[in-house]
Formats: sequence, structure tokens, C-alpha cells
Amino acid sequence: RKEVEQDPGPFNVPEGATVAFNCTYSNSASQSFFWYRQDCRKEPKLLMSVYSSGNEDGRFTAQLNRASQYISLLIRDSKLSDSATYLCVVNIGSNYQLIWGAGTKLIIKP
Amino acid sequence: EAQVTQNPRYLITVTGKKLTVTCSQNMNHEYMSWYRQDPGLGLRQIYYSMNVEVTDKGDVPEGYKVSRKEKRNFPLILESPSPNQTSLYFCASSFRDSADTQYFGPGTRLTVL
Repeated sequence: RKEVEQDPGPFNVPEGATVAFNCTYSNSASQSFFWYRQDCRKEPKLLMSVYSSGNEDGRFTAQLNRASQYISLLIRDSKLSDSATYLCVVNIGSNYQLIWGAGTKLIIKP
Repeated sequence: EAQVTQNPRYLITVTGKKLTVTCSQNMNHEYMSWYRQDPGLGLRQIYYSMNVEVTDKGDVPEGYKVSRKEKRNFPLILESPSPNQTSLYFCASSFRDSADTQYFGPGTRLTVL
């Protein structure tokens, strides 16, 4: 079993729709969680950190479920510019490596 | 402009010919790392550095070397490249450690024939 698993997609979603995807992690000692966005083999960029209480940034909402060991990303009112690959990242401590998921590809269609 | 730069951006080489990919950041970050990205596998860390003269292996260090003589530079060296090192390589830096936001360079697409 991979340490961080994501549905590779692609998720084909009409513009304006709401889309959500999850990421599961295997290490219960994981401390920090992030979502990064990567456009077409360009460099990943931080989208948002995921806090225990959940957090929201505009149309994006991230949540953490420690009991079931997954994090989620919800995108509301999706835009064409949201088309990208979303990478889930887990960290078990500041002196440890980041563990990256393989990414979920999202395609927003007009 | 705060950034991470990598050179070259694209490289086609032959098996066994030593090469170096440079990485430089201008944000005074302490933590730097190298990743390779292959389809379906996600980013895999090759080496990382917590500070000058401090480097450590990541998940896939075989066939690679690094050095951190200055805070801003973290070159990746392939002493004898092989075709299985054909990949997209990213350098990243962060303020202090792996728990901080990672800032990535634009990537180096390496092909080893």
C-alpha cells in the first residue's frame, strides 16, 4: 500500500460545478498536510495547508479526518483555470521527508 | 524577485557522461531538496539539506550526489547517468524545514540515451 494515495482521475467537471477529491495516508503519526497544485508538468505550488479544524480559502475548502486518515479538497464554482493536477502531501515531522501523492488530475470543461 | 532557479531546463545526454544540474535560491532558505517526478509515481525525494554542509539521503539517492557549500546553491550531480535516470527533476527550498512551504524551481527535463 502506498503511503499517500490519490485517485489519479481525470475528473472531468463542467464549469461552475463543485468537485471534491480525497487523499488517504497510511502513517498515523503524520503531523502536517498540504495540497499543492501543479499545472501541466510545471513546478508544484502550494495551494493550501490543511489544519485539524479544516480551513477555507475562497472557493477552496480543505478538511482533515484523522480517524479515517484522509484529507479532502473541495472546489466550489469551478473555473476553467482550476484545471490542473492536485498533489496531496503529508509530513510526519519537520525533520522528516514530505510524502507526496501521485496527484489527481482535474479538467474543467466549458 | 524571490525565486528558485535551475539550469539547464532541458538536457539530452548519453549514458555515462557526468552532468550537473544547478539549483539556486535567493530567499535565504535553510532547507533545500531535490526531487524526481515520473508518471504515476509522484514526487520522490532524492536528497535534502537542512543547512550548509548538511545533506541527507531521500527515498531514491542511488546514482546521485549533492553538495551544499553555500546556503543558496544545491547542485545535483549524476556521475554516470543511466537511462533509468531519465525524468523531470525539481529543486525546492523552504525557510527552515520540510514542514514549511516548499518553493520549487521550474524543473529540468533530463533524457539519458
